[in-house]
Amino acid sequence: DQQVKQNSPSLSVQEGRISILNCDYTNSMFDYFLWYKKYPAEGPTFLISISSIKDKNEDGRFTVFLNKSAKHLSLHIVPSQPGDSAVYFCAASSGGSNYKLTFGKGTLLTVNP
Amino acid sequence: SAVISQKPSRDICQRGTSLTIQCQVDSQVTMMFWYRQQPGQSLTLIATANQGSEATYESGFVIDKFPISRPNLTFSTLTVSNMSPEDSSIYLCSVPHTTGDNSRQYFGPGTRLTVT
Repeated sequence: DQQVKQNSPSLSVQEGRISILNCDYTNSMFDYFLWYKKYPAEGPTFLISISSIKDKNEDGRFTVFLNKSAKHLSLHIVPSQPGDSAVYFCAASSGGSNYKLTFGKGTLLTVNP
Repeated sequence: SAVISQKPSRDICQRGTSLTIQCQVDSQVTMMFWYRQQPGQSLTLIATANQGSEATYESGFVIDKFPISRPNLTFSTLTVSNMSPEDSSIYLCSVPHTTGDNSRQYFGPGTRLTVT
């Protein structure tokens, strides 16, 4: 049973437009959510996170929104750049075992020039 | 940030054999993690390796299949034993962020294993 779901395997957007990547979770115990970005032949790199006490966190072009009632979070990238093309993983953790990350399967974002 | 290297970067192995993957970090860390990503699947935590103690395995993973060593604070190995084609995966090690936020982890580049 997948506790973190990324239902879109891929997304294609034009350079300069907004990219919206979605993630749903089922475990109510999750209280910390993260997005990782992965380029081919490299390990995932941390991008942005949000605690369950917030509904929005922004870092430059990247904003993560959390809707706890819907158990849904999204990552917005504005404006999208070709260098943003990568696989984006949503991850979640809970409480004292916050090192135990549960990942989604990832969404491949392609930003076209 | 932590710089993590893994060896080998990739390998093709025969079923029934074992492969040991090395993970080296450029700084001392208490916790190191080992993940597996099977084709088309998400990253799954295999175990947590603490220096000076036995590794802690997640549900579905056992020490006989995935023995782990942690001889010091900068190095760990994961062995995939008695391999079968189902073990074909990318294996990654990671360490917590230096701020102490264990959810924010630095990952190595991964070891791509193919079992034939």
